Amino acid sequence: AQKVTQAQTEISVVEKEDVTLDCVYETRDTTYYLFWYKQPPSGELVFLIRRNSFDEQNEISGRYSWNFQKSTSSFNFTITASQVVDSAVYFCALSGGNAGNNRKLIWGLGTSLAVNP
Amino acid sequence: DTAVSQTPKYLVTQMGNDKSIKCEQNLGHDTMYWYKQDSKKFLKIMFSYNNKELIINETVPNRFSPKSPDKAHLNLHINSLELGDSAVYFCASSPSLAGRREQYFGPGTRLTVT
Repeated sequence: AQKVTQAQTEISVVEKEDVTLDCVYETRDTTYYLFWYKQPPSGELVFLIRRNSFDEQNEISGRYSWNFQKSTSSFNFTITASQVVDSAVYFCALSGGNAGNNRKLIWGLGTSLAVNP
Repeated sequence: DTAVSQTPKYLVTQMGNDKSIKCEQNLGHDTMYWYKQDSKKFLKIMFSYNNKELIINETVPNRFSPKSPDKAHLNLHINSLELGDSAVYFCASSPSLAGRREQYFGPGTRLTVT
């Protein structure tokens, strides 16, 4: 069975603090894909990043960085120098890649991040 | 340029009515999805079509019927609406290229059943 766990339900930080959102996944597929999405208060779901299981390189995009560790089945997301505009619900998701997989995304329950001025 | 669009954005209706939500994508993707997001933000996949063929059909009441006239469109029709159907419904699409599984979402349709 596939599962995504985001243990942090809510996080509150003060602007300019660094914050890490945790994501732990479970899958038996040898090939799989991991994702992060952002849902700001306006409600849209915004795709942030995809990481393939065979690519363990970490990624940095501006103030955002992602740490993928297969050894611990984690795909954590760090926001450096957080800003009020980062306030949103962040979702981690998993898609299996083995033959017969139907492209279904398994979603975490989301972490609500509040960045206070 | 809108990538995935949904209409209407808001839908308020009474119990027992029938309503439809339309979705269109101009990304050239082969796969489209419908999700339901409840008040606790839980995202639940409902249906998925790949090139007009139904590939995911989760445990959804048969009052919900998807229809894909072509691979750029996926509509959702709901019969006999119930209070519990109140939620935000998202349409999404994804490419079929190997290694590309990310889904791109529409703005959502907030359905309120009174």
